[in-house]
Amino acid sequence: GAGVSQSPSNKVTEKGKDVELRCDPISGHTALYWYRQSLGQGLEFLIYFQGNSAPDKSGLPSDRFSAERTGGSVSTLTIQRTQQEDSAVYLCASSRGGAADTQYFGPGTRLTVL
Amino acid sequence: AQKVTQAQTEISVVEKEDVTLDCVYETRDTTYYLFWYKQPPSGELVFLIRRNSFDEQNEISGRYSWNFQKSTSSFNFTITASQVVDSAVYFCALSGVDNQGGKLIFGQGTELSVKP
Repeated sequence: GAGVSQSPSNKVTEKGKDVELRCDPISGHTALYWYRQSLGQGLEFLIYFQGNSAPDKSGLPSDRFSAERTGGSVSTLTIQRTQQEDSAVYLCASSRGGAADTQYFGPGTRLTVL
Repeated sequence: AQKVTQAQTEISVVEKEDVTLDCVYETRDTTYYLFWYKQPPSGELVFLIRRNSFDEQNEISGRYSWNFQKSTSSFNFTITASQVVDSAVYFCALSGVDNQGGKLIFGQGTELSVKP
């Protein structure tokens, strides 16, 4: 079946603009994760959705970052008032939903903030 | 706190050599899972293996093998008879069940270069 998809694959924006990144998980997967990969920080967890439970937002770096998941499927990560340090690859992953089930990753969105 | 350490930043080998990628982890959870992912130049993270904390048996899959030792908190990955297509960044990751909700804690990655 289809894997995790993300759009756009690349996004260039100007400092101060808002951006939205989209993730389509594998069909039937109830858990969805966002991670960020940057040169200085490696791979960092951002936020986790599991079914209808409240999301785990413990990894979001600031209140400029938010995410939602509609209908238990598609998720959107929004970054408001982007800063240059937000430049990174944003990775989405999904899993069947059990604790520590294998996470399958999408191709990522490369965000460049000028 | 949970932590994963991959001390080898870069490794370069010649094709057909065996190579071992080290991974050391820290956790207070009694139940946890360890993973290895491969990130080729294309950028997408590819799942390789998942191992739970109660299963210390070594695993072999083709040219790949994994050695899990709780006594030393290590989960090392060996590629036998390496090939150019093995060139990639390899990440070791930890997920604690008790308190972490399944999120992955990644090591910094080891960049493997296999030369012909």
